[in-house]
Amino acid sequence: EVHLLESGGGLVQPGGSLRLSCAASGFTFSTYAMSWVRQAPGKGLEWVSSISGGGGTIYYADSVKGRFTISRDNSKSTLYLQMNSLRAEDTAVYYCANQLYSSSWYFDHWGQGTLVTVSS
Amino acid sequence: QSVLTQPPSVSAAPGQTVTISCSGSSSDIENNYVSWYQHLPGTAPKLLIYDNNKRPSGIPDRFSGSKSGTSATLGITGLQTGDEADYYCGTCDSSLSPWVFGGGTKLTVL
Repeated sequence: EVHLLESGGGLVQPGGSLRLSCAASGFTFSTYAMSWVRQAPGKGLEWVSSISGGGGTIYYADSVKGRFTISRDNSKSTLYLQMNSLRAEDTAVYYCANQLYSSSWYFDHWGQGTLVTVSS
Repeated sequence: QSVLTQPPSVSAAPGQTVTISCSGSSSDIENNYVSWYQHLPGTAPKLLIYDNNKRPSGIPDRFSGSKSGTSATLGITGLQTGDEADYYCGTCDSSLSPWVFGGGTKLTVL
C-alpha cells in the first residue's frame, strides 16, 4: 500500500525558512516523479513544484520560484521542500503526491499534509 | 484566480446525479488530458479520474469523466452523503505553470 507522510510544518516568521519532508513507502520511489501541492486557508489546491524520479528535471510555480527548492533522496525514499524567504501568503497545508504518466501526468497518491503558518 | 474555472458549489439530493464542469482554454484542457480529485478538508486528496475518463482501481463507476474542446465534466450518479467533498479538476498548461488546478467545487448532498 502506498503511504506518503509529510512532516516539518510549523509556525515561522516572515522571512524565515522551513524544510518539509515527505517519507514514502509502498512503491519504488526512485521511479516516480513527485510533487508538492498546497492549499491556503479557504482556498483551492495550488501546484507548487515537481521533480522527476532521478531528480534531473524540476519545475516550480512562479509564486515560489527562487525561494523554494525541491529535492529528493532516493536512498531514503524521501522528498523535500526547502522553503526560504517565507511570506504570509505561503501559509497553507502542504501535500506531497506521487505522479504517474499514462496519456499525461496526474497525481496518483497524496499524503495527509503538513501545516505551514507564516506569521509574526 | 485559477486558470481553470469551476462552479463554486453544486448540490443535489441522495440518489440523484450531479455534474461538475471545468472550463479552460486551448493552452490547457483542449490540448491535454484532465484529471479529477476529491478532497475532504483535513484529509489526503484522492484521485477519481485520470486521462479525461479513466478510473483508478477502487473508484466506483458512479464517477465518470468526459472532455469536449476546452471543457471537462465530472459526473457522479447515485449520490451518497459520503460524496460530500470538494472536487478539483487539473491538467497540464503549456503556457503557464506546468500544472494547473481548477478553483474547486463544493458538493453538498442535501
